[in-house]
Amino acid sequence: GQQLNQSPQSMFIQEGEDVSMNCTSSSIFNTWLWYKQDPGEGPVLLIALYKAGELTSNGRLTAQFGITRKDSFLNISASIPSDVGIYFCAGHKTGGSNYKLTFGKGTLLTVNP
Amino acid sequence: NAGVMQNPRHLVRRRGQEARLRCSPMKGHSHVYWYRQLPEEGLKFMVYLQKENIIDESGMPKERFSAEFPKEGPSILRIQQVVRGDSAAYFCASSPARRNENTEAFFGQGTRLTVV
Repeated sequence: GQQLNQSPQSMFIQEGEDVSMNCTSSSIFNTWLWYKQDPGEGPVLLIALYKAGELTSNGRLTAQFGITRKDSFLNISASIPSDVGIYFCAGHKTGGSNYKLTFGKGTLLTVNP
Repeated sequence: NAGVMQNPRHLVRRRGQEARLRCSPMKGHSHVYWYRQLPEEGLKFMVYLQKENIIDESGMPKERFSAEFPKEGPSILRIQQVVRGDSAAYFCASSPARRNENTEAFFGQGTRLTVV
């Protein structure tokens, strides 16, 4: 089935550093979403992107919808210990099944205080 | 407002038993989606239901798995004769209408199924 290629798989950073992760696809998506999942919890929506080229911020988080509609990135600035978790990109395709989310495999972020 | 409620949070079943996972959507939401997450994987779509209707079950395994969302009560994901490969986290999401730009679905905390 359709997959989103998310990288890196994991990151180990020091508190205060900036982080960048991205997602690519061979298919066009009309929506890109970024989620965070804490251990034992469900995914929580961080940022939603609906237009190619769109750049959106949510506090220290910034995400962009690539102009080709086949990629997206998420940046976290000045990381703090509570940023630890798994970050997933996800997308909705166009057409009749636009309710289905396709997820990447996630980026595991570890922040050393 | 209570969020999407799933229970149980953890479920242990022996091979061959049945597993029933429940999902109560957010208040006012009539659309429910089930996803499965295998260890170290992203979530994968299983089924989309509205009240009393299965809209899309293209992600459901052909055998042993079924889902319902009755007029009253929670949505149920049922797995018969569980096998070890069914061990995963199962997430439910809900939205007030068919998903569009203004109605992204909200996820529950999931049910972690372990088959021993």
